[in-house]
Amino acid sequence: SAVISQKPSRDICQRGTSLTIQCQVDSQVTMMFWYRQQPGQSLTLIATANQGSEATYESGFVIDKFPISRPNLTFSTLTVSNMSPEDSSIYLCSVDQGIYGYTFGSGTRLTVV
Amino acid sequence: AQSVSQHNHHVILSEAASLELGCNYSYGGTVNLFWYVQYPGQHLQLLLKYFSGDPLVKGIKGFEAEFIKSKFSFNLRKPSVQWSDTAEYFCAVNALNAGGTSYGKLTFGQGTILTVHP
Repeated sequence: SAVISQKPSRDICQRGTSLTIQCQVDSQVTMMFWYRQQPGQSLTLIATANQGSEATYESGFVIDKFPISRPNLTFSTLTVSNMSPEDSSIYLCSVDQGIYGYTFGSGTRLTVV
Repeated sequence: AQSVSQHNHHVILSEAASLELGCNYSYGGTVNLFWYVQYPGQHLQLLLKYFSGDPLVKGIKGFEAEFIKSKFSFNLRKPSVQWSDTAEYFCAVNALNAGGTSYGKLTFGQGTILTVHP
């Protein structure tokens, strides 16, 4: 299955600033997914990123807050903009590996102070 | 839209006890089903998956799950747990459209924390 490198693994940020999270996959994939896991909660899909098109956002998530780039078939970034303490979460990227299921990155643990 | 419900938030067992974690989903069409595990401090790992065929699927580390379509359930089982099974377990569903193509995204249940005492 694919290997996903996600960075940074963790960060502590000041409110009002932005953080960009990177995901690099070792093989070409059509769709990449960005999830959020808030403390003590399950994973919630933020958006689906296809190469060459705008990301598709789930209800409750907007592009201005979570802009996503997908410049090629192996790489994507998620930016958390104008952060507040409520954005403190683990952010994960994922790819669909077909018959092998979905593979997840190791996550970015974000704390906003 | 599909949703996933896991019955237990926290399960506490002693080693060698049997485990069953419940998972129900709501979606009227065809689904792919998954169980993921997250060990403390580690990332999500796939335990097992069901796409089609035999509704009883076996995964890694002695886990298995049974898909019961009539009950919209996909319960996870292990006959004898070990201390190393202490982790959080997530059930997830991927819905397919009428043509059998995935909508792409996974919908997760709330997660079940399993604590196994030695």
